[in-house]
Amino acid sequence: AQSVTQPDIHITVSEGASLELRCNYSYGATPYLFWYVQSPGQGLQLLLKYFSGDTLVQGIKGFEAEFKRSQSSFNLRKPSVHWSDAAEYFCAVGARASGGSYIPTFGRGTSLIVHP
Amino acid sequence: GAGVSQSPRYKVAKRGQDVALRCDPISGHVSLFWYQQALGQGPEFLTYFQNEAQLDKSGLPSDRFFAERPEGSVSTLKIQRTQQEDSAVYLCASSLVPFLLLGTGNSPLHFGNGTRLTVT
Repeated sequence: AQSVTQPDIHITVSEGASLELRCNYSYGATPYLFWYVQSPGQGLQLLLKYFSGDTLVQGIKGFEAEFKRSQSSFNLRKPSVHWSDAAEYFCAVGARASGGSYIPTFGRGTSLIVHP
Repeated sequence: GAGVSQSPRYKVAKRGQDVALRCDPISGHVSLFWYQQALGQGPEFLTYFQNEAQLDKSGLPSDRFFAERPEGSVSTLKIQRTQQEDSAVYLCASSLVPFLLLGTGNSPLHFGNGTRLTVT
């Protein structure tokens, strides 16, 4: 069965500093990988996804992530964090489901705190 | 509406009561998912519909949980005889078409804001 590990429960950075959130996955086939962001009291918003091709993917809000098959990782990065980036970040791996879709399995999340 | 709508936003139930949570997906979206998110945790998959067909219900934690989508649009998640461990945020998500049929992954999941269920 697929699984996702986000080893950092909380990350604190200063505004303007760079950010890297770690994600490791376990899946027997080629993974579909995602990063979502969740603000308090809100649903999840897709930041970016990897299905195939270029292993460095660009997302919304200036985020990017790099798929490294040898390390089973899909770390999220941003060169300069803004105070509005403070939120909960979830990595997910999509497993094939019947009917041609996929079912995302989520990690437990990393809470990003941004200091002014 | 413009997004996935869930109601009620908050629900407080006494232990043993039945509850029904509603999800209105984006119009025309084929796939619909239910997730359970406990406090401080990531969302856990419950069940998945494609149109009116429930293709996967492997995540439902017990036979007290039941989901339906009779006309392929609105879905209801019902929890019978609620227990305190059922307290969580229940998230609904929909997508236009199944990803893999497109082959491009250009049909992302759109999540609602969830229903926070508290069982006392």
